[in-house]
Amino acid sequence: RKEVEQDPGPFNVPEGATVAFNCTYSNSASQSFFWYRQDCRKEPKLLMSVYSSGNEDGRFTAQLNRASQYISLLIRDSKLSDSATYLCVVPASGTYKYIFGTGTRLKVLA
Amino acid sequence: GAGVSQTPSNKVTEKGKYVELRCDPISGHTALYWYRQSLGQGPEFLIYFQGTGAADDSGLPNDRFFAVRPEGSVSTLKIQRTERGDSAVYLCASSSGTGGNEAFFGQGTRLTVV
Repeated sequence: RKEVEQDPGPFNVPEGATVAFNCTYSNSASQSFFWYRQDCRKEPKLLMSVYSSGNEDGRFTAQLNRASQYISLLIRDSKLSDSATYLCVVPASGTYKYIFGTGTRLKVLA
Repeated sequence: GAGVSQTPSNKVTEKGKYVELRCDPISGHTALYWYRQSLGQGPEFLIYFQGTGAADDSGLPNDRFFAVRPEGSVSTLKIQRTERGDSAVYLCASSSGTGGNEAFFGQGTRLTVV
């Protein structure tokens, strides 16, 4: 099993739709998790941190399910500007090494 | 500067040549990371520094790759005898290094080996 797994997509959704991505991780000892956003040919930028059960910021909600070892990202009322790749990041156990998933590509269509 | 700075932004080199990629982290950040990203993939961990020392270099693909951070700030990633398969975007990131903190990325160096 990969350390961090994501569905690569693409997810094509109409403007205004709600879309959710999941990310599974193998290290049950991981304590902190991140969602990064990456635009084409740009560097990854932090979208949300997840330290406990979840986090919400405007239209974005991240949830953590420790029992099943996955985190999710929910985007409500999708905007064209939400089109990007969303990367799930999990620090490796006992280290500060951040492991990235392959990313999930989202395209919001007009 | 306020962010992580990487130079050069683009580098084209011939197969077999030596290259150096530079990363200037955010001031005060003790942790520095190098990642490599190929098209359609997530960033792949290469090496992590805490201060001057390489705390984890398990991601370096082979002994042609080496990185240093002699004064605990600027880091240089060195690639010897480059191969076409080394072509990728090399990303540097830094964080406050206390574990579980956000890592801030530079814009990357796009390396093309011809």
